[in-house]
Amino acid sequence: GAVVSQHPSWVICKSGTSVKIECRSLDFQATTMFWYRQFPKQSLMLMATSNEGSKATYEQGVEKDKFLINHASLTLSTLTVTSAHPEDSSFYICSARDTATYEQYFGPGTRLTVT
Amino acid sequence: GQQLNQSPQSMFIQEGEDVSMNCTSSSIFNTWLWYKQDPGEGPVLLIALYKAGELTSNGRLTAQFGITRKDSFLNISASIPSDVGIYFCAGPSNSGGSNYKLTFGKGTLLTVNP
Repeated sequence: GAVVSQHPSWVICKSGTSVKIECRSLDFQATTMFWYRQFPKQSLMLMATSNEGSKATYEQGVEKDKFLINHASLTLSTLTVTSAHPEDSSFYICSARDTATYEQYFGPGTRLTVT
Repeated sequence: GQQLNQSPQSMFIQEGEDVSMNCTSSSIFNTWLWYKQDPGEGPVLLIALYKAGELTSNGRLTAQFGITRKDSFLNISASIPSDVGIYFCAGPSNSGGSNYKLTFGKGTLLTVNP
């Protein structure tokens, strides 16, 4: 089946630093990828839609200057959390939509802890 | 935007018991998806439903797409300890064209006691 990978799987950083998370579709092309955030015991909340070769579309209330998204190829999207603060600590999950089938597959998530 | 109401929020059952959970929406969905999320992992698609009235099985799992297109249920039969996790319903947040975004229910946390 289709596989989506995320790197790193977990990261601890100091407040004020930036962290980059990668999302890759390993065996299919993904024109569109999505970034979600999930707090403990809560559902997935869509942050932004990442489109290859164009600007990301952010959901209401998500700061685009804080959560930088780059989708430079059909198999890679990156999310950079800039000037991270403890309240940014969360589980970040990406998903990739297969360009051929429109099926959407999720990555294993990245646990971010900001100290 | 569209919202999905998922119930129950949590369930504690004994191994071997059957489980049922459901999702409802105030608006029509053209697709219903059921995902399972293990702790510390991303969601994995269990069943996809594309047609009103459709009943689909995947092993011990059975899901149905309600006739009104505003609800869906997921049943798990003869539960086993590895069924533990959070189950989410999801559906496309617009008409379901190729540019859809998924809306998720709040999830049902399932605990299975051996």
